[in-house]
Amino acid sequence: ETGVTQTPRHLVMGMTNKKSLKCEQHLGHNAMYWYKQSAKKPLELMFVYNFKEQTENNSVPSRFSPECPNSSHLFLHLHTLQPEDSALYLCASSQDPPATPGLRPNIQYFGAGTRLSVL
Amino acid sequence: AQKITQTQPGMFVQEKEAVTLDCTYDTSDQSYGLFWYKQPSSGEMIFLIYQGSYDEQNATEGRYSLNFQKARKSANLVISASQLGDSAMYFCAMRATRGGNTGKLIFGQGTTLQVKP
Repeated sequence: ETGVTQTPRHLVMGMTNKKSLKCEQHLGHNAMYWYKQSAKKPLELMFVYNFKEQTENNSVPSRFSPECPNSSHLFLHLHTLQPEDSALYLCASSQDPPATPGLRPNIQYFGAGTRLSVL
Repeated sequence: AQKITQTQPGMFVQEKEAVTLDCTYDTSDQSYGLFWYKQPSSGEMIFLIYQGSYDEQNATEGRYSLNFQKARKSANLVISASQLGDSAMYFCAMRATRGGNTGKLIFGQGTTLQVKP
């Protein structure tokens, strides 16, 4: 148990559906991340939020819409996805910068992911 | 450009033996961090070990140690006394510092480790 919970664990959706992925962290961190993991590709950073503000959008298509209502919750709203969007979507959180100077910085703790299939 | 390279798509190791997973990196930054994560078939990414670029000693965490060779830009993970539960995908990652403190991690392609009984 890493302290980062993602729901649902599995999701099958059609290209015209709208669905949302949820991530919740119980670690008191201030930064949250969405990553995409496709088969045979490295993890790709999608979005970064720090204190609820989006600090990075890694050229993600607008059919992916993130929402961060507070430092503990992160959503990824999905609409009109394509089959190539099928992947494992991982959420992570970290304390950025570290709460105590000198401590190893920015360990990102990940959830178990949502395995998404777009039909 | 910052990049992580893991050249071993798959590795086998006999139970109780040690194994080294390779990782090389490319960065022009002087200050950076290197991480190793384990991903079992269940999907979650589990943090294993961290090495800072200014750390003088190689990092160790239990059975995991990081063989950090700064001049060669390599950060290999050594797992001692392999266990069946070590079978998983292993990712090397680097924290990018370019462009500010976004906490962005750059990952390698990963190495699949299978431990044989």
